[in-house]
Amino acid sequence: EDQVTQSPEALRLQEGESSSLNCSYTVSGLRGLFWYRQDPGKGPEFLFTLYSAGEEKEKERLKATLTKKESFLHITAPKPEDSATYLCAVMTTDSWGKLQFGAGTQVVVTP
Amino acid sequence: DAGITQSPRHKVTETGTPVTLRCHQTENHRYMYWYRQDPGHGLRLIHYSYGVKDTDKGEVSDGYSVSRSKTEDFLLTLESATSSQTSVYFCAISAKGYGYTFGSGTRLTVV
Repeated sequence: EDQVTQSPEALRLQEGESSSLNCSYTVSGLRGLFWYRQDPGKGPEFLFTLYSAGEEKEKERLKATLTKKESFLHITAPKPEDSATYLCAVMTTDSWGKLQFGAGTQVVVTP
Repeated sequence: DAGITQSPRHKVTETGTPVTLRCHQTENHRYMYWYRQDPGHGLRLIHYSYGVKDTDKGEVSDGYSVSRSKTEDFLLTLESATSSQTSVYFCAISAKGYGYTFGSGTRLTVV
C-alpha cells in the first residue's frame, strides 16, 4: 500500500531560524512528488514538482529536494509570512492524475 | 483562486438529507477532482473526472456520487448526509493530470 508520511506534525520557528520539513514515501513507482502551501481557510497553493532523485527546486526562501525515499522542504531564514501548513503529495506510476497527500506540517514563524 | 469557484462556501445540513456541492471552472481544464480534508488525514480523493461524463472513484467514494455534464462544472452529491461526512471539501482542476489548482473549499457540517 502506498504511503506518504510528513514530519513533524507542527513546527514553531523564530524568524530567521532555518529548518527542514520531511516527507517520506513508500510507493510502487514514483511519477512525481508535489509540495503545496495551505493558509487557514484557503485551498492548497502549488509550490514545486520533483520528478527524480537528486532534483532540487527553489523559490524565495524555500528549497525542495528529493531522494528515492523522501523529500525535504528547507525553509531558509523564515519570515512570519511563511507561516502555513505545508503539504506533500505523490503521484505514482499506476495512478496517473491522482495525488495522494500526506497529513501536512503546520509551520508557525514568530517575530 | 482564479478560474475555479466552489459553492456554497459554508453549509449546515441535517442527517439524511441530500446535499450537492458545485465546482465551476473557467480554465477549460480536462481534469477535475473532489477531495475532503479532515484533521489527521490530510486530503483524500473522493471522485475525479478526466472529461465530460468520464468519472471514476477515489479512495473514499462511499456515500458520494458525482456528475460532469459540461467541461466547466463538476458536482458532488452526498446522497444521504451523515455526521461522518462533516468535512471541508476541496475541488481541484488540472490541464494535464498534475499541477492542480485548488478552489477555496466548502465547509460542510452535518447535524
